Amino acid sequence: AQSVTQLGSHVSVSEGALVLLRCNYSSSVPPYLFWYVQYPNQGLQLLLKYTTGATLVKGINGFEAEFKKSETSFHLTKPSAHMSDAAEYFCAVSGVTGGGNKLTFGTGTQLKVEL
Amino acid sequence: EAGVAQSPRYKIIEKRQSVAFWCNPISGHATLYWYQQILGQGPKLLIQFQNNGVVDDSQLPKDRFSAERLKGVDSTLKIQPAKLEDSAVYLCASSLLAGGTEAFFGQGTRLTVV
Repeated sequence: AQSVTQLGSHVSVSEGALVLLRCNYSSSVPPYLFWYVQYPNQGLQLLLKYTTGATLVKGINGFEAEFKKSETSFHLTKPSAHMSDAAEYFCAVSGVTGGGNKLTFGTGTQLKVEL
Repeated sequence: EAGVAQSPRYKIIEKRQSVAFWCNPISGHATLYWYQQILGQGPKLLIQFQNNGVVDDSQLPKDRFSAERLKGVDSTLKIQPAKLEDSAVYLCASSLLAGGTEAFFGQGTRLTVV
């Protein structure tokens, strides 16, 4: 079974400040990890993903995430927040299981960027 | 490259009525997903197809929900009869393969049951 826990349903930062969105996962098989962003009334857009290899993953719009197996974490960061980053962010996990590869999402973190 | 197409974008129905949603995935994508996203929650997988076969439908309320993917291309999701708690956004996604590959999402269908 796989699951994702996102700590903090709402995060507020000032423009130009560091963005840190937390994600912890549980998986009985080697995980594939994803971060998606959702703008109002839109579908989900992939920010970045980890499958294998380098544990620090760079994505679009200046975001990056680090896979830490020992901490079962995949936190999303951005050095300097921009107003356009205000959106909802979802962490997701998938992996090969007997029932196929199911993409399981966390409950999301709403990011607010203030002037 | 065309994205995942969904229709309609919005639908309002009364409880006990039926409704159907349509999804056309990205050409060549073998895996198709239907997710239900209730306001304030993360997407919940309803059903996953690999070509035209069902891989996972463990969270599909089969007494009222049904889905098919004829010919392994586009798909329909039906609710009959609808309940108030079915009000949600229904998201369709597709991926080239299952697991480890990016899932591309459509814009979703917002269903309101009154």
